[in-house]
Amino acid sequence: DAGITQSPRHKVTETGTPVTLRCHQTENHRYMYWYRQDPGHGLRLIHYSYGVKDTDKGEVSDGYSVSRSKTEDFLLTLESATSSQTSVYFCAISEDANTGELFFGEGSRLTVL
Amino acid sequence: QKEVEQNSGPLSVPEGAIASLNCTYSDRGSQSFFWYRQYSGKSPELIMFIYSNGDKEDGRFTAQLNKASQYVSLLIRDSQPSDSATYLCAVGVGSNYKLTFGKGTLLTVNP
Repeated sequence: DAGITQSPRHKVTETGTPVTLRCHQTENHRYMYWYRQDPGHGLRLIHYSYGVKDTDKGEVSDGYSVSRSKTEDFLLTLESATSSQTSVYFCAISEDANTGELFFGEGSRLTVL
Repeated sequence: QKEVEQNSGPLSVPEGAIASLNCTYSDRGSQSFFWYRQYSGKSPELIMFIYSNGDKEDGRFTAQLNKASQYVSLLIRDSQPSDSATYLCAVGVGSNYKLTFGKGTLLTVNP
């Protein structure tokens, strides 16, 4: 299994509070991604990174920010969580974006009350 | 907006049968096509990819691509109960930074 660790794995928070999810990889892969998965919507890309300090938006980036200060860590921040951000969040990594082969972390289940 | 459509299922097949999973996509510029498998409560894992029209076989799995019809399918021969999972179709345009995923088809293989 690819060395990807997401933390926390489960979190319950209240509306309006900030939340940070962490993705840590030990594979030294260049590309990292944050997806959310919701019933009826499938996997949707939030943000991705193609190198240290190089990030870009995905299709559902509103309300989210990311940072990547080291190759191994990719942080997803919800500045002020809303109930619509209740979801399962997956981090993914890839060595070569052209292959489309993503390795996913185990997911972080976030509930915003 | 790019769209990837899959029948949500559930698709139920008996053990040993062929399971056929289908996916259509809207962007004619799509160049790469992927099938991911996701067990309940787990993360997705890549099982097949295909770039050219025709069939690609890997063990019990065959991916089929028809770009003219904007259609990609996954056949699972000799289906096993362990194949019971949700199958996600994903499509890439050019660089695969931004794969677009379908909502997935739930497959149940009955012993």
